[in-house]
Amino acid sequence: DGGITQSPKYLFRKEGQNVTLSCEQNLNHDAMYWYRQDPGQGLRLIYYSQIVNDFQKGDIAEGYSVSREKKESFPLTVTSAQKNPTAFYLCASSMMGLAGYEQYFGPGTRLTVT
Amino acid sequence: KNQVEQSPQSLIILEGKNCTLQCNYTVSPFSNLRWYKQDTGRGPVSLTIMTFSENTKSNGRYTATLDADTKQSSLHITASQLSDSASYICVVRATGGAGSYQLTFGKGTKLSVIP
Repeated sequence: DGGITQSPKYLFRKEGQNVTLSCEQNLNHDAMYWYRQDPGQGLRLIYYSQIVNDFQKGDIAEGYSVSREKKESFPLTVTSAQKNPTAFYLCASSMMGLAGYEQYFGPGTRLTVT
Repeated sequence: KNQVEQSPQSLIILEGKNCTLQCNYTVSPFSNLRWYKQDTGRGPVSLTIMTFSENTKSNGRYTATLDADTKQSSLHITASQLSDSASYICVVRATGGAGSYQLTFGKGTKLSVIP
């Protein structure tokens, strides 16, 4: 069963703790993305990666970090420096080199920090 | 600055009725426009993609239109069903270099279909 998996679906953390969100894909896609979604807001890009061991900052990268050691995996760490970490986080992937660049999204992780 | 504006923000319709969602954009240079459906608490799923040369494209009960001259798109839903209740997101891609990130997301229209 091909697709993108994110885990866990719900995550609760205390303020000041770092937390890592998992994203795995078996679609053989080159590019992967992390978005943040807040109520009433459009998706905002946090980081993206086009190839293993390389990634670029998106519009709201401050307080977040990523790694891309394997093509299938693109974990996102929400650090204590992120001022408002409570949000719905979406991971996506896409092929490179195709004009459409359709992004396939995972089911999301809802992070709550108290 | 590239922008995508969607209207209405939210919409409530009776089951079986039709509705139309709007998307206006100022993205340039334009490459394509995609409509996504996002169920509550889930990831978005692509419904259709429109390129510059396409005016209309259908996917079952969903029909998207594109007017590249006025930079407007619409998503028409026919004979709505309860399962159509979701947020509908318009995403516009600008033409860029290979691998460059050129997406602009709208905030979405939240559709509620009631019995």
